Amino acid sequence: DGGITQSPKYLFRKEGQNVTLSCEQNLNHDAMYWYRQDPGQGLRLIYYSQIVNDFQKGDIAEGYSVSREKKESFPLTVTSAQKNPTAFYLCASSFGTSGEQYFGPGTRLTVT
Amino acid sequence: GEDVEQSLFLSVREGDSSVINCTYTDSSSTYLYWYKQEPGAGLQLLTYIFSNMDMKQDQRLTVLLNKKDKHLSLRIADTQTGDSAIYFCAERTNAGKSTFGDGTTLTVKP
Repeated sequence: DGGITQSPKYLFRKEGQNVTLSCEQNLNHDAMYWYRQDPGQGLRLIYYSQIVNDFQKGDIAEGYSVSREKKESFPLTVTSAQKNPTAFYLCASSFGTSGEQYFGPGTRLTVT
Repeated sequence: GEDVEQSLFLSVREGDSSVINCTYTDSSSTYLYWYKQEPGAGLQLLTYIFSNMDMKQDQRLTVLLNKKDKHLSLRIADTQTGDSAIYFCAERTNAGKSTFGDGTTLTVKP
């Protein structure tokens, strides 16, 4: 089955620790995206990548980092510099920049 | 810059029609999308419309686009309790960037 997966579904970390969220897709999509969703709010773009080994900052990139070493994978690291990291994180992918985005199930990160 | 606005809440009775509205500001929008999000889950693409269309129908869903007023709506016919969710409107521009609204929480009462 083709799809986009995120793991884990729930993640708990202590303040000051870096944490990496996984996103994998087998849809052969070129573009991948990371969004953050806070309660009662829409999606805010953190980073996106249109091709392997290239990525661009979104609207709220500070405190986050990404890599795109493989087409299928786009991991997101939430660093200790991110002031308010507790949120629901969504990964998406699309065919190039004109196709519709398909979303993974999300990872809920709680930092205490 | 780009901005997408939606009303936050809508409540309807089971069997009625639901109409969720959205306005956007970027005139270079090429695609407009409707997504559905159930609690604790990712977004599911429901339907989309190209900016050169004014209407698209897909079973119980009807999308209307008024490009002049930059207004998009999603009508759900015969709304069921399983339609209760958050619905997001999103626009995509030629530059490939997507902007999402804050979502409309639809509550369907039996």
